[in-house]
Amino acid sequence: SYELIQPPSVSVSPGQTASITCSGDKLGDKYASWYQQKPGQSPVVVIYQNTQRPSGIPERFSGSNSGNTAILTISGTQAVDEADYYCQTWANTAVFGGGTKLTVL
Amino acid sequence: QVQLVESGGGVVQPGRSLRLSCAASGFSFSSSGMHWVRQAPGKGLEWVAVIWSDGVTKNHADSVKGRFIISRDNSKNTLFLQMNSLRAEDTAIYYCASIHPTNSYFDYWGQGTLVTVSS
Repeated sequence: SYELIQPPSVSVSPGQTASITCSGDKLGDKYASWYQQKPGQSPVVVIYQNTQRPSGIPERFSGSNSGNTAILTISGTQAVDEADYYCQTWANTAVFGGGTKLTVL
Repeated sequence: QVQLVESGGGVVQPGRSLRLSCAASGFSFSSSGMHWVRQAPGKGLEWVAVIWSDGVTKNHADSVKGRFIISRDNSKNTLFLQMNSLRAEDTAIYYCASIHPTNSYFDYWGQGTLVTVSS
């Protein structure tokens, strides 16, 4: 079955750029989405179709996808961005990465 | 305003059954593919099942195949998940989620309902 691999944790200082990777076999040939989940809340999409940002999502969130790796980039990271982030793609069924805990410190 | 409201969770003994519901409003439910996604305590998201708008085409994760059945009632804008032969590893928050009609991402999620399988 298809697998997506994410680092368990990423730390970033406020105002700096955070990058979260998501690796999968030929992932660049597929669409990747990214979801943000804060404690006790349901996931919210922040990036879809590799690079698209839904309305209401701040411009500091961006995405890319090439080769075997999709990347979520948060520029000028704020304390409010501290959350778990999950990548997701489609391989007959929905597949989620294991999640990355972003710490802003 | 789109709303997805799950219900039916609770504590159940191993081997027993439970039926989850998800009441949808604010969008064209009958035209939307619908999914169940679960999250074990402190763990990541796991896709569980999908049912297409026709109510006939469906698929289930290998981890629940043969035990769980997804279904829907388009006349009542409601999604279901019949869970049989429950195991301790099925303990999780169960979310229903809709798929964006053109861009294939999970655009709306319910608040989730907690299922605890324990003796």
